[in-house]
Amino acid sequence: DGGITQSPKYLFRKEGQNVTLSCEQNLNHDAMYWYRQDPGQGLRLIYYSQIVNDFQKGDIAEGYSVSREKKESFPLTVTSAQKNPTAFYLCASSIGGGLTEAFFGQGTRLTVV
Amino acid sequence: AQTVTQSQPEMSVQEAETVTLSCTYDTSESNYYLFWYKQPPSRQMILVIRQEAYKQQNATENRFSVNFQKAAKSFSLKISDSQLGDTAMYFCAFRLNRDDKIIFGKGTRLHILP
Repeated sequence: DGGITQSPKYLFRKEGQNVTLSCEQNLNHDAMYWYRQDPGQGLRLIYYSQIVNDFQKGDIAEGYSVSREKKESFPLTVTSAQKNPTAFYLCASSIGGGLTEAFFGQGTRLTVV
Repeated sequence: AQTVTQSQPEMSVQEAETVTLSCTYDTSESNYYLFWYKQPPSRQMILVIRQEAYKQQNATENRFSVNFQKAAKSFSLKISDSQLGDTAMYFCAFRLNRDDKIIFGKGTRLHILP
């Protein structure tokens, strides 16, 4: 069954700790994305990657880091520099080449206490 | 830079009625895609409909259709015969053909009332 898997669904961390959100896809898609969703803010792009070992900053990259060592995986690290990390995070992928829509995972709710 | 604006934060309509959600966008380029996504209470994002900018014909998917006005940079979604299951957040999204970056509007929360 092809799809995008985000884990875990819920994540709790103490303030000041880095945390990594997992995103894996088996759709053989070239492009992958991370979005942050807050009430009233829509989906804001954090980072996206068009190919392995390459990624671009989105609109709100500060306090976040990513890697793309494998085509299937695009983990997001929320660092202690992110001032307000509590949010719903969505990972997505698309075929790439500007051709199609994005397909989404089920999201991870991160709560920092 | 491209932007997407959804001017209706929240809407309510009676079941079986028709409702139109608005979306405007800004770009200086001519080749792009536009999308409407639905996010029900489960929070799973679902593609509703897609429009290629080079196509003059408006896209249609069953009860969902768009009114694409390229010159006005407008891309509204019409839901006909609305159903309770249409209750969700709806997001308008934009993507250039030459790039993989996809940007979203802030969304419209739609309530279908019984």
